[in-house]
Amino acid sequence: EVQLVESGGGLVQPGGSLRLSCAASGFTFSSYSMNWVRQAPGKGLEWVSYISSSSSTIYYADSVKGRFTISRDNAKNSLYLQMNSLRAEDTAVYYCARDRRSSGYDYWGQGTLVTVSS
Amino acid sequence: SYELTQPLSVSVALGQTARITCGGNNIGSKNVHWYQQKPGQAPVLVIYRDSNRPSGIPERFSGSNSGNTATLTISRAQAGDEADYYCQVWDSSTAWVFGGGTKLTVL
Repeated sequence: EVQLVESGGGLVQPGGSLRLSCAASGFTFSSYSMNWVRQAPGKGLEWVSYISSSSSTIYYADSVKGRFTISRDNAKNSLYLQMNSLRAEDTAVYYCARDRRSSGYDYWGQGTLVTVSS
Repeated sequence: SYELTQPLSVSVALGQTARITCGGNNIGSKNVHWYQQKPGQAPVLVIYRDSNRPSGIPERFSGSNSGNTATLTISRAQAGDEADYYCQVWDSSTAWVFGGGTKLTVL
């Protein structure tokens, strides 16, 4: 059974940092690209970042470029999102999702809540 | 940057057909994916590559894509179909893009 489990969310002050993790199981993690998607309270889905299976290709949304860093460790079946210089508008539930490129995101985690507030 | 436009809300009578649109410049040339999200839950893929259903998704869900509009069609709408629906595409200049989402109400 495919499982994606996010962790690392919490309350952080503006300007602070947080590192999210996504533990993958039930599939060959190293064969799939992965994404982070976020959803602010009461708002729609916003794509955040993409990383290819070998980490050779990485993309970021303009809203997080220069502040967030996506990475993965295929030996540990884990995906990460390092978030720096956090702002109130980064408050959201953050989801990791498996990417099938021409077929969308077929599996999502349950999400982890990040709250940026003083 | 590429943008996708969805209606904020769509209403449908129980048992009738709901259509949710997703507008984008020449979206017909792209692969469109659709997600259903119920309150407090993660999104679920209901249509991929314009018109394909993942296993476990009822045949009542279908999709089409042409010109500047993609459409998700839900036939014989049920109360359990009430949810937010999002379209998504990959664009070479923007990477992944989601539409703003449509709230489906079943009356």
